[in-house]
Amino acid sequence: RKEVEQDPGPFNVPEGATVAFNCTYSNSASQSFFWYRQDCRKEPKLLMSVYSSGNEDGRFTAQLNRASQYISLLIRDSKLSDSATYLCVVNGGDDKIIFGKGTRLHILP
Amino acid sequence: ETGVTQTPRHLVMGMTNKKSLKCEQHLGHNAMYWYKQSAKKPLELMFVYSLEERVENNSVPSRFSPECPNSSHLFLHLHTLQPEDSALYLCASSQDGGGGYEQYFGPGTRLTVT
Repeated sequence: RKEVEQDPGPFNVPEGATVAFNCTYSNSASQSFFWYRQDCRKEPKLLMSVYSSGNEDGRFTAQLNRASQYISLLIRDSKLSDSATYLCVVNGGDDKIIFGKGTRLHILP
Repeated sequence: ETGVTQTPRHLVMGMTNKKSLKCEQHLGHNAMYWYKQSAKKPLELMFVYSLEERVENNSVPSRFSPECPNSSHLFLHLHTLQPEDSALYLCASSQDGGGGYEQYFGPGTRLTVT
């Protein structure tokens, strides 16, 4: 299993819909998890941290499932401006930071 | 946002040139990073500095040479690069280098090696 794995997409979703994607990780000792967003030809920007108890910020909800070793990101009432690549980031348990390849999301008008 | 700045934003250099990329963070962080992002590839961590000391070097070729004179500044010195080194080079900083804190990225330097 790859250290951090994401479905590359693209996910083509109509505006207003709900979309969710997962990210699996291989090291069960991983302690820190994040979702970043990267727009085309721009730098990644932190979207949210993922805590053991989950995290919600407006339309965005992140969850951690330690038993199955994945994190998820749910976007409700999607907007055109949500179109981007979403990067999963995992602390590999040995202080090694690993980025996933990202999931591309296209919100369709 | 001016938390992490990078210069230049674009750079075209020949294979025999020597150039340097500069990164500065204004966030009071203790760790700084260099990443390479090639087209259709994930971010590749190149170097990590924590409290101005290099703590990780992911087998990067010696034609890339980092320098961290203080916790706010990070340089990447480039010499005799290859065309396959053309990529977006991103600098980031975080509160510390342990991986438990979120990273803040600069806008990147888009490098083209001719």
